[in-house]
Amino acid sequence: KQEVTQIPAALSVPEGENLVLNCSFTDSAIYNLQWFRQDPGKGLTSLLLIQSSQREQTSGRLNASLDKSSGRSTLYIAASQPGDSATYLCAVRGSGGGADGLTFGKGTHLIIQP
Amino acid sequence: DTAVSQTPKYLVTQMGNDKSIKCEQNLGHDTMYWYKQDSKKFLKIMFSYNNKELIINETVPNRFSPKSPDKAHLNLHINSLELGDSAVYFCASSQPGAPSYEQYFGPGTRLTVT
Repeated sequence: KQEVTQIPAALSVPEGENLVLNCSFTDSAIYNLQWFRQDPGKGLTSLLLIQSSQREQTSGRLNASLDKSSGRSTLYIAASQPGDSATYLCAVRGSGGGADGLTFGKGTHLIIQP
Repeated sequence: DTAVSQTPKYLVTQMGNDKSIKCEQNLGHDTMYWYKQDSKKFLKIMFSYNNKELIINETVPNRFSPKSPDKAHLNLHINSLELGDSAVYFCASSQPGAPSYEQYFGPGTRLTVT
């Protein structure tokens, strides 16, 4: 059974710092991995999706990497801003090929101090 | 244009009642999902539905039943509501076989059982 772990559970840093959020998963047989952002009381915003054959994806100040063999992904946020404050969720899709859903981690609650 | 929509956004009801949450997607996707986010913000898959194939997470009580009147809709029916059913419920959709197989989420329905 797939399990996804995110470290740290919470992180508070001053504005302008570069930071890394970590995600690990127990079963390397994945189809893809998605990083989401969730603001308090809101839905999920997809940030980046990495296919199992890819090593990284970039969008603006965000860069996500994937090492499938070791079961790890990182989300790098450059030049953090207060608006980046949110909970970041990592989720993996299995490679079973059926109508399987995503397995989520418990998230990293990020606070960027002005 | 809203890709995945849910109604209602908020639902407050008493224990023992039966309620439904509606979900619609206009993306032409073949697969739809229901997720539950509990009070600790942990997201877990409840159901996947694809071409009349229903995959149920084994931990979901049989008081919960998804109903799909057509490919664009997957409604969630809950019978005999309990206090522990209070959570945020998210609908999602994706297209099997698409290059990214990305999941798109609705805005969520906050269910409060009193």
